[in-house]
Amino acid sequence: QKEVEQNSGPLSVPEGAIASLNCTYSDRGSQSFFWYRQYSGKSPELIMFIYSNGDKEDGRFTAQLNKASQYVSLLIRDSQPSDSATYLCAVVDMDSNYQLIWGAGTKLIIKP
Amino acid sequence: NAGVTQTPKFQVLKTGQSMTLQCAQDMNHNSMYWYRQDPGMGLRLIYYSASEGTTDKGEVPNGYNVSRLNKREFSLRLESAAPSQTSVYFCASSPDRDHFFSGNTIYFGEGSWLTVV
Repeated sequence: QKEVEQNSGPLSVPEGAIASLNCTYSDRGSQSFFWYRQYSGKSPELIMFIYSNGDKEDGRFTAQLNKASQYVSLLIRDSQPSDSATYLCAVVDMDSNYQLIWGAGTKLIIKP
Repeated sequence: NAGVTQTPKFQVLKTGQSMTLQCAQDMNHNSMYWYRQDPGMGLRLIYYSASEGTTDKGEVPNGYNVSRLNKREFSLRLESAAPSQTSVYFCASSPDRDHFFSGNTIYFGEGSWLTVV
C-alpha cells in the first residue's frame, strides 16, 4: 500500500525563524506533490504545488522535491504566529485514477 | 462565490440511524469527492465521482453510499450509522481527473462534524 509519511509534531519554532517540514512517500513513480495548510476546525487549503526536482518558491514558502530520495519538504521563512497550523502533504497516485494520497500532517506551532 | 458548500455542519446520530450529507459546488467542476478525516490519520477517500453520472469507491467505502445528482451535487449517505463513522467529513471538487499535473487543486467544503453515539 502506498504511503505518505509525516512527523506528527508538534514542531515548535520561534517567531521569525525558518520552519522546516518534511514528507516522504513510498511510490517511486509519483510525480506531483502538494502542500496544504489546515487551521484547527477548518478545511485544508493549498499553499504549494511542486512537480519538478529542485526548489519552488512562493513568497515566504519554498517547496523542495527530491525524487531520488523520495521526499518533499516545505520551508517557511520568517515564521509568523499565523503560520501555526497543521501542514498536510499530498501525493498524486497515478495507479488509482490520479487520486491524492495524504499524509497525516505535521502540527506547527510558532512561538511569539 | 460560495465554492463548495456542504450541510449539515454538525450532526449527532444514534447507532443505526441513517442520514445524508449534502454537497454542492458552483465552480463547474467535473470531479467531486468525499473524504473523512480522523485524528492522527490523513484524509481518506470514501467515494469520488470523476464526472456527472459516474461514481467510484475510494479507500474506505464500506458503510457509505453516494449519489451524483447532477454536475453540481454529490451526496453521501450513511444507511446505518456506527460509532466507527464518527469523523469529520469533507466534500471536495476539482476541475477534472488529470488536473493535478498542472497544479490545479481540489477545493474543500468547510466540513461536517458527525458523531455517532
